Amino acid sequence: NAGVTQTPKFQVLKTGQSMTLQCAQDMNHEYMSWYRQDPGMGLRLIHYSVGAGITDQGEVPNGYNVSRSTTEDFPLRLLSAAPSQTSVYFCASSYSNPLGGYGYTFGSGTRLTVV
Amino acid sequence: GESVGLHLPTLSVQEGDNSIINCAYSNSASDYFIWYKQESGKGPQFIIDIRSNMDKRQGQRVTVLLNKTVKHLSLQIAATQPGDSAVYFCAEKGGGGFKTIFGAGTRLFVKA
Repeated sequence: NAGVTQTPKFQVLKTGQSMTLQCAQDMNHEYMSWYRQDPGMGLRLIHYSVGAGITDQGEVPNGYNVSRSTTEDFPLRLLSAAPSQTSVYFCASSYSNPLGGYGYTFGSGTRLTVV
Repeated sequence: GESVGLHLPTLSVQEGDNSIINCAYSNSASDYFIWYKQESGKGPQFIIDIRSNMDKRQGQRVTVLLNKTVKHLSLQIAATQPGDSAVYFCAEKGGGGFKTIFGAGTRLFVKA
């Protein structure tokens, strides 16, 4: 049981490049979300999904795309990287019912630098 | 709009003392609240949660209190240890919705 796995752990991009941050969970969680964390700030929600085939925007969705083709995977795509997207990205998953609780299990993060 | 904020950005306590970390929220429809602990270089880790129909919930050395009248949430850590040094985030899940919104965090320093 690996929990939430994020790859890569570190990435440097040039402005304008695109890339996909991978996230996979093996807990059969319905909810998955992507957050970014900037220095001295909390986590801001980028996109989230309540199940396979269903995604929605969070607080800061511009410049990012997501898809949820399976329960396990929730990749985050940066369309055209900008320096403002330099951040640490966290993927998280949770149950979607009160019996399972809504508390997230987080991945270890991807540290992205855009130059 | 929704916002979750913290009263203090940093908190320094002596080892063995009790710690209290506070959080204010603005969405009166929020029905679920969570505290997370984040150690340096790691992802946030679930500590304890509480539902809006409760006032208090206890875990191992931690207690969460919810005051819906003033929309205030607190995390109490008993007999604080050096391993408790971390950033603590409160988060809320809006009533009927799926989003979980985080506050900015409080950094807890434990002095030996």
